Parts: sequence; structure tokens; C-alpha cells
Amino acid sequence: EVQLVESGGGLVQPGRSLKLSCAASGFTFSNYGMAWVCQAPTKGLEWVASISTGGGNTYYRDSVKGRFTISRDNAKNTLYLQMDSLRSEDTATYYCARHGSGYWYFDFWGPGTMVTVSS
Amino acid sequence: IQLTQSPSLLSASVGDRVTLSCKGSQNINNYLAWYQQKLGEAPKLLIYNTNSLQTGIPSRFSGSGSGTDYTLTISSLQPEDVATYFCYQYNNGLTFGSGTKLEIK
Repeated sequence: EVQLVESGGGLVQPGRSLKLSCAASGFTFSNYGMAWVCQAPTKGLEWVASISTGGGNTYYRDSVKGRFTISRDNAKNTLYLQMDSLRSEDTATYYCARHGSGYWYFDFWGPGTMVTVSS
Repeated sequence: IQLTQSPSLLSASVGDRVTLSCKGSQNINNYLAWYQQKLGEAPKLLIYNTNSLQTGIPSRFSGSGSGTDYTLTISSLQPEDVATYFCYQYNNGLTFGSGTKLEIK
């Protein structure tokens, strides 16, 4: 059974940093592209970043370029999101998601971790 | 590509045939998926590539469309289908629609 479990969320002040993790199990992690998707409170979904199977290719939405870094450790079956220079508008639930094989849709999601940026 | 979903709120009766719409600002080339999100839960993939049913999803869910216009149909609405439904395109960039909230009348 595919499982994705995020951790690392919490309350952080504007301008500070936070690192999210996503532990994957139930599938061959290194065979799949992975992503982070966020959802602000009572709002819709927004793709944040994606990473290729080996980690050599990364992709970001414009609003996080230069502030967020997606990475992965295939030996540990873990996906990461380093979030720097956080802003109040980054407040959201962050979901770890698996890309469908060969495609850019998301076929499995974790339960999410909440990030609140506030002073 | 911007996605516009309609209606934003839909109220229907158990057993009804329900149709949700998603319209793109440009051609999506069938790279369109649908997600169901129940309150307090993560989204769940229902349909990908316009009309492919994800494993484990009931056959009352189906997708169709082409070009800029796409549809999710629930053939016979069940109480457990109460949720918000999002369309998502992956043809040019990666964007979600704003969602349709489905309620039981």
C-alpha cells in the first residue's frame, strides 16, 4: 500500500525557515517523480514544486523560486522541502504527492502538514 | 492555463446524475485530471488523462472532454460523494481549478 507521511510543519515567524519531510513507503520511491502541493485555509490547491526520479531536475512555481528548495534522498525514501524567507502568504497545508508514472498528474497524496507563518 | 469550474456549488439528490464542468483558457490536449477532496482529507485522484478511471474508484465516476472543455459525471449520486471536486491540467504548467462543492439536497 502506497503511503506518504509528511512532517515538519508548525508555526514560524515571517522571514524564518522551515524544512518539511515526506516519508514514502509501499512503492519503489526512486521510480517516481514527486511533488509538493499546498492549500491555504479554505482555499484551492496550488502546485509548489516537483522533482524528477533521480533529483537532477527540479521545478517551482514562480512565487517560491529562490526561496524554496525541493530535494529527495532515494536511499531513505524521503522527500524534502526547504522553505526559506517565509511569508504570511505561504501559510497553508502542504501535501506531499506522487506523480503518476510518466505523467504530471498526482496519483497519491499524503495527509498533509500545516505551516503557519505569523509573528 | 487558467481553469474555470462551474458551478461553484451544486446541490443534488441521491440517485441524480451530476455533471461538473471545467473550462481551460487554452487547449488542454486531454491532460486533465479530476480530484475529490472530502472535508479535512487530502485530495484523491478520480480520473486522469480526461477519461481514465483511477484504480479503486467506483465506475459511477466518468470523465470526458476535449480541447478546452471537460466534464466529470457521477451517474448516480451517493451520500459518500459529498466533497469538493477539483479539475487539474498538466498540459502547460500545472494548475488546479477553484473547485465545485457538491452537496446532497
